[in-house]
Amino acid sequence: GAVVSQHPSRVICKSGTSVKIECRSLDFQATTMFWYRQFPKQSLMLMATSNEGSKATYEQGVEKDKFLINHASLTLSTLTVTSAHPEDSSFYICSARVVQWVNEQFFGPGTRLTVL
Amino acid sequence: GQQLNQSPQSMFIQEGEDVSMNCTSSSIFNTWLWYKQDPGEGPVLLIALYKAGELTSNGRLTAQFGITRKDSFLNISASIPSDVGIYFCAGQLRKAQGAQKLVFGQGTRLTINP
Repeated sequence: GAVVSQHPSRVICKSGTSVKIECRSLDFQATTMFWYRQFPKQSLMLMATSNEGSKATYEQGVEKDKFLINHASLTLSTLTVTSAHPEDSSFYICSARVVQWVNEQFFGPGTRLTVL
Repeated sequence: GQQLNQSPQSMFIQEGEDVSMNCTSSSIFNTWLWYKQDPGEGPVLLIALYKAGELTSNGRLTAQFGITRKDSFLNISASIPSDVGIYFCAGQLRKAQGAQKLVFGQGTRLTINP
């Protein structure tokens, strides 16, 4: 149980385009999902907290107009990187918190974004 | 903001050796979690600790939640090749400190020589 999927696993795009990444909880409902960014050989940095049916809460220094988050249902959250630039190239990972097990987060497999 | 200091940053050991890594913080956490991340994958939860002083095992892994709530360690006994990867500690903030977010350590990269 507690499986989280992400799609796509890899994406390469041209500078200036927008990219949407999906995060799904497959066998449970997640009232809260989190989006992280990880640069090579670095730790995970929280970008935003996404609650179903409400606006996401962004961490300091993360541009909400650039990283659009939508959490329309209890099993799906999306992150859209708008007008992507090479410096946005990174590994994006989502996690979901199980309603019943409020203290644990389960992570997706990540999405490798490369902006040319 | 809160930070976790994880050490060592990297370890090079022989197969069969025991491994120990730890995390310390200036902040108090109400939950400590240990994750393993393989290249190109998301982190996988290894052990979760919920009470100060708690000692928990999962197979060859043992982790403890420090009494001060500001530190935790992870031990791996009799290492095997599939233990290779990056290990992260993570502390969960109390709800009043911000939506029970996780703060991650810098990671410990484990390399095993056969």
